[in-house]
Amino acid sequence: GEDVEQSLFLSVREGDSSVINCTYTDSSSTYLYWYKQEPGAGLQLLTYIFSNMDMKQDQRLTVLLNKKDKHLSLRIADTQTGDSAIYFCAESLTGGGNKLTFGTGTQLKVEL
Amino acid sequence: GAGVSQSPSNKVTEKGKDVELRCDPISGHTALYWYRQSLGQGLEFLIYFQGNSAPDKSGLPSDRFSAERTGGSVSTLTIQRTQQEDSAVYLCASSLQIGGSLGDTQYFGPGTRLTVL
Repeated sequence: GEDVEQSLFLSVREGDSSVINCTYTDSSSTYLYWYKQEPGAGLQLLTYIFSNMDMKQDQRLTVLLNKKDKHLSLRIADTQTGDSAIYFCAESLTGGGNKLTFGTGTQLKVEL
Repeated sequence: GAGVSQSPSNKVTEKGKDVELRCDPISGHTALYWYRQSLGQGLEFLIYFQGNSAPDKSGLPSDRFSAERTGGSVSTLTIQRTQQEDSAVYLCASSLQIGGSLGDTQYFGPGTRLTVL
């Protein structure tokens, strides 16, 4: 079955690194995504990683994938107050028509 | 070009009424998806359309929910005889295609917040 879990809250100080974790259960995932949702707004795609990759870096964002443990993480370097939002990981499955299964979301709060 | 747009942005209705929610995907995107975001259930897939293929309706929670996509572009999600548990934000997304490539990335609209009184 499909089940994607995230911790609910994370609080960091401005300038520190944030690490948001995600675990999934379905080994047939093809792509794994990170989306950001700011209050009252839709979902903004941040980055994605293909399941045969271990790491992807995009400016301040680093995605790590441990396929053996079915663990995905998003690291945000030099976290800013504008990074405060809810972050969702999502997976799409082989043969699943690319419909996304989302995690529960992690609310990131950046404090001064 | 323009992103995914949805209308209305907010809809308040009475229990038992029918509602229609509209989605305009990004021009040229052949795949269109509907999701629902609610406090109790998080983000759930509802239905997707790909070109002229039969839609995948596997996420629709009941037969009160239906969706159409006319001319391969605009889509309408209809909820009949609304119930209070239908209250949620309904999100639409589109992607260039389905098939395991960068073009599959889904871009989301701002959503329609539905409140059933």
